[in-house]
Amino acid sequence: EPEVTQTPSHQVTQMGQEVILRCVPISNHLYFYWYRQILGQKVEFLVSFYNNEISEKSEIFDDQFSVERPDGSNFTLKIRSTKLEDSAMYFCASRRDIHYEQYFGPGTRLTVT
Amino acid sequence: DAKTTQPNSMESNEEEPVHLPCNHSTISGTDYIHWYRQLPSQGPEYVIHGLTSNVNNRMASLAIAEDRKSSTLILHRATLRDAAVYYCILRDREPIYGGATNKLIFGTGTLLAVQP
Repeated sequence: EPEVTQTPSHQVTQMGQEVILRCVPISNHLYFYWYRQILGQKVEFLVSFYNNEISEKSEIFDDQFSVERPDGSNFTLKIRSTKLEDSAMYFCASRRDIHYEQYFGPGTRLTVT
Repeated sequence: DAKTTQPNSMESNEEEPVHLPCNHSTISGTDYIHWYRQLPSQGPEYVIHGLTSNVNNRMASLAIAEDRKSSTLILHRATLRDAAVYYCILRDREPIYGGATNKLIFGTGTLLAVQP
């Protein structure tokens, strides 16, 4: 069964450094998402992406965040200058079409020190 | 998005049925009821969704009250692998145009513990 993959599984970085989290959505999916979950808290929506542009972003997704689909398979989330409060589990999700469910990846645990 | 209310936690015994309730008294006529679950240290996973009629799939059944103000996710025979946080999420009817966000708004869900 096809699945969403994410790399790395765990990323440790120092405050102020840039990080790029990578996701490979399911191949025939058209809608892509990033969510995050701070330890012990709810899963929060960050951004959605369709047709090579952001369709919606949350208040969390400020100028320090960006997303890109550099080729036909990868979907990345970049944090330009990480803060301690960016430490969280980041989940990528994709969906085939507007009438289908979202499929989530296993997540990348980001630790900012 | 309309709000849902779920118990914080529930317990079940292995191989017994589990009924996970969700209240959504402010549901609108176009809201679908979705259930996702999150196993420990994993990403959320789609379980089932419905609008008005009861729904069955290989994972679970969804029973929707006639007035749609509540619903129940039914796991027919709980296994240890079903221990997870279960989220009941309302989503507006999918628009017909592409590009709509259809983001998921997660609450705190119900933590289901399954005892052997």
